[in-house]
Amino acid sequence: DAKTTQPPSMDCAEGRAANLPCNHSTISGNEYVYWYRQIHSQGPQYIIHGLKNNETNEMASLIITEDRKSSTLILPHATLRDTAVYYCIVSGTSYGKLTFGQGTILTVHP
Amino acid sequence: NAGVTQTPKFQVLKTGQSMTLQCAQDMNHEYMSWYRQDPGMGLRLIHYSVGAGITDQGEVPNGYNVSRSTTEDFPLRLLSAAPSQTSVYFCASSYSRGGTGTRGYTFGSGTRLTVV
Repeated sequence: DAKTTQPPSMDCAEGRAANLPCNHSTISGNEYVYWYRQIHSQGPQYIIHGLKNNETNEMASLIITEDRKSSTLILPHATLRDTAVYYCIVSGTSYGKLTFGQGTILTVHP
Repeated sequence: NAGVTQTPKFQVLKTGQSMTLQCAQDMNHEYMSWYRQDPGMGLRLIHYSVGAGITDQGEVPNGYNVSRSTTEDFPLRLLSAAPSQTSVYFCASSYSRGGTGTRGYTFGSGTRLTVV
């Protein structure tokens, strides 16, 4: 699975959009981009995933560049409860072999 | 409530003891995995299963055994506990093997294990 690079930490004001970048320049054609988050040592929570098209669900939006070498997770209206570690993972159909890096610590401020 | 249930939530073991961490899911998921998370680190895959009777090793399998006799259960056995196995253990399950699933992996709340 391709390696990902994320900034170690980011801040965001409550109510504003949080834009979390991820670089995955070695992604291959059959690999998906997944986003999970982990709130205070709880089990990771799935947020969204995509292959090449932009995706949106009730939690977030995922923007993948046309060359698929990077992506951005967007939390449109961040709340204090969105403070967490966000993991960007690139994975093919590899039976649960999610490779978690260090992720981005997002802190949402009042 | 549907989801992944892990027991126990906390455990302290003495070096050399053995124990089994339990994981059960009621979502009829085929794919199940065990991860460990050390302080300040990301999760690392220990073992995984693609269905009843089928298991395989992940990134850090040494010192752990698994079996999958039913779709619902995926226990993780520590054969002879060592201080290096002090960690938080997460079990996860998924309907699909990746990509085609709509909800990704569902994780349990974790077992916090200390080996002294």
